[in-house]
Amino acid sequence: DAMVIQNPRYQVTQFGKPVTLSCSQTLNHNVMYWYQQKSSQAPKLLFHYYDKDFNNEADTPDNFQSRRPNTSFCFLDIRSPGLGDAAMYLCATSRDSGGADTQYFGPGTRLTVL
Amino acid sequence: GQNIDQPTEMTATEGAIVQINCTYQTSGFNGLFWYQQHAGEAPTFLSYNVLDGLEEKGRFSSFLSRSKGYSYLLLKELQMKDSASYLCAVLDSNYQLIWGAGTKLIIKP
Repeated sequence: DAMVIQNPRYQVTQFGKPVTLSCSQTLNHNVMYWYQQKSSQAPKLLFHYYDKDFNNEADTPDNFQSRRPNTSFCFLDIRSPGLGDAAMYLCATSRDSGGADTQYFGPGTRLTVL
Repeated sequence: GQNIDQPTEMTATEGAIVQINCTYQTSGFNGLFWYQQHAGEAPTFLSYNVLDGLEEKGRFSSFLSRSKGYSYLLLKELQMKDSASYLCAVLDSNYQLIWGAGTKLIIKP
């Protein structure tokens, strides 16, 4: 089945210790998104890739970086996690970003910062 | 600014009908999505409306009025598994998804 996969599902890191979350997709979609979602809040878009073109949201902290080495994979790097970065991180894909294409989400990675 | 409003929490009884409202103020409009999100899981797509009117899909229906900046999600014959958060999201003029904070729906036997 075509899908969006995120690993790991649960990640624990220490304050200030870099961490990388991964996302892969078998949908062959052009666009990949990273969202941060805290409890009972709306998902907050961090950045997205249209193919290899990177689009950073204006209010995404510099602490968050992303890489997309190929169509299938996208990584979220948190360089120095703080306690406030504990959240669910959602990866999503869509066929196109210039239209009303549905975004399909992976299961998410819940990040705990100790 | 851009804003999506939906009730924080609603309670309904198994077998009943519930309507979850969403009002929006966005810069432009290219459609409205409803997603279901179970606790600790990712959102899953329920519906997409871009024209006024009612779209029915099984037990779930979604309604849109663009002139009023208003949508609702109607859930019929409620089941316990429908307990989840329901997120309203609007595509603005730049095709950016603007998300509501979600409505937590609690189903009681």
